Amino acid sequence: QSVVTQPPSASGTPGQTVTISCSGTSSNIGSNFVYWYQQFPGMVPKLLIYRNDQRPSGVPDRFSASKSGTSASLAISGLRSDDEADYYCAAWDDSLSGQVVFGGGTKLTVL
Amino acid sequence: VQLLESGGGLVRPGGSLRVSCEASGFSFSTYAMSWVRQAPGKGLEWISEISGGGSRKYYADSAKGRFSVSRDNSNNTLYLEMKNLRVEDTAVYLCTRGDIITGAAAFDIWGQGTLVTVSS
Repeated sequence: QSVVTQPPSASGTPGQTVTISCSGTSSNIGSNFVYWYQQFPGMVPKLLIYRNDQRPSGVPDRFSASKSGTSASLAISGLRSDDEADYYCAAWDDSLSGQVVFGGGTKLTVL
Repeated sequence: VQLLESGGGLVRPGGSLRVSCEASGFSFSTYAMSWVRQAPGKGLEWISEISGGGSRKYYADSAKGRFSVSRDNSNNTLYLEMKNLRVEDTAVYLCTRGDIITGAAAFDIWGQGTLVTVSS
C-alpha cells in the first residue's frame, strides 16, 4: 500500500475534463515537487508533468496539474480516446533517509 | 538519448542477480539515475537512486540490505546488484534518468526494462 494515494480508476467521455487526485503527506507532496507519469499498456512510463505544474516539451496543454498542501491533481481537458492509460504521481519523500514514492496509479478509461 | 538494460532472467529464491543499464546520448555522470520496477499487472515501484558522482545512494525499504546500486561513469553504465531474491521481486526492472541532483522524482528518460523472474 503506497503512502501516496490515487483513485484506482477514473473515466470520462470524449471532450470532457477529467481530474485525477494524488494525496500524500507533509514529508512527500507537502515538501517536495510532484511529478506525473503516463503509461500505456506494454509501454514504459512517460514524464507528463514535472515540478508540480510544468509540461515537458511536446506534452499538449490539455494536460495540467496543480498542488496544494499535501495533495496534487492532474487535469485532462478535451478528453480523447488515446488518453486512455495509467497515470501515476510521484514525489520525493524526506522521511526514512529519503526515497521516491509513487502513487498506486489511476487507470483512465475513455467511455 | 537512450538507456538499455540487460542482465535479467530466471533466478531461484534466495539467489542473486546483477542487472545493468547502458546509457548513451547524454552526459551520464551529470545525472542521478534510478531503478524502478513494475511487477506484472501492478504499478510502478521505485527501488533505488544514485547521484551523478555515485557518492549518494538511496533505497526503498523493500530493497534495503538486499539490493545495491552502483555506477561506472567511465563506461556510462548503471548497475543494480540484487541478493537474497524473493518471489515478490519478480518484475520488469526499468532504468531511468533523474535530475542533475538527487531528491526529485524527475524521470525523463526510461529504458525498455529487463525482466527478472524469481521462481523455484
